[in-house]
Amino acid sequence: KNQVEQSPQSLIILEGKNCTLQCNYTVSPFSNLRWYKQDTGRGPVSLTIMTFSENTKSNGRYTATLDADTKQSSLHITASQLSDSASYICVVTPRGGGSNYKLTFGKGTLLTVNP
Amino acid sequence: GAVVSQHPSWVICKSGTSVKIECRSLDFQATTMFWYRQFPKQSLMLMATSNEGSKATYEQGVEKDKFLINHASLTLSTLTVTSAHPEDSSFYICSAQGQPSGETQYFGPGTRLLVL
Repeated sequence: KNQVEQSPQSLIILEGKNCTLQCNYTVSPFSNLRWYKQDTGRGPVSLTIMTFSENTKSNGRYTATLDADTKQSSLHITASQLSDSASYICVVTPRGGGSNYKLTFGKGTLLTVNP
Repeated sequence: GAVVSQHPSWVICKSGTSVKIECRSLDFQATTMFWYRQFPKQSLMLMATSNEGSKATYEQGVEKDKFLINHASLTLSTLTVTSAHPEDSSFYICSAQGQPSGETQYFGPGTRLLVL
């Protein structure tokens, strides 16, 4: 069964600090892995996308890493801001045929950045 | 990037009434749209997949007569919650996939439904 596990479940940090969120998955083979940011009451917004052959991808203060051998990914946030408070979701797209790509979602890590 | 909108953003209704939620792709043609439901502190759960001009494919456990999906055009899909009950209260999110975005799904902002 395809699964995506994220840790920690929740995290509280002070503004300006760095943090790293973890994602372990069992989806295989997979097409790509994405990290999304979901603000409370809003839809997910894509932060990074990595394919099987990529091991790091940056988007501003967000840096995602991928180890396809161990099936692990991380999202590192540097110099956190209050606006970074949100749920961060790891999503894996399985590789398969057809045009309907069923995504496998993690439950997310709820990040709270305090002043 | 591609933009997906949903309307309404929130709705409160009485038990037994039907509610329609619209999902629109604003700047691309969405050949496939997905409807998700998200309960508090839970991940998104896929309800159904709809291809333009075809009947929707529902996930196991999702009642197709309860959640009517129409995808009549390349830019619009609707989800109608029929005879809504309090247990249908949830956050409903659509996503759209098509050209030129390929397999990328772009998510809408979600619709909060509260059934009293």
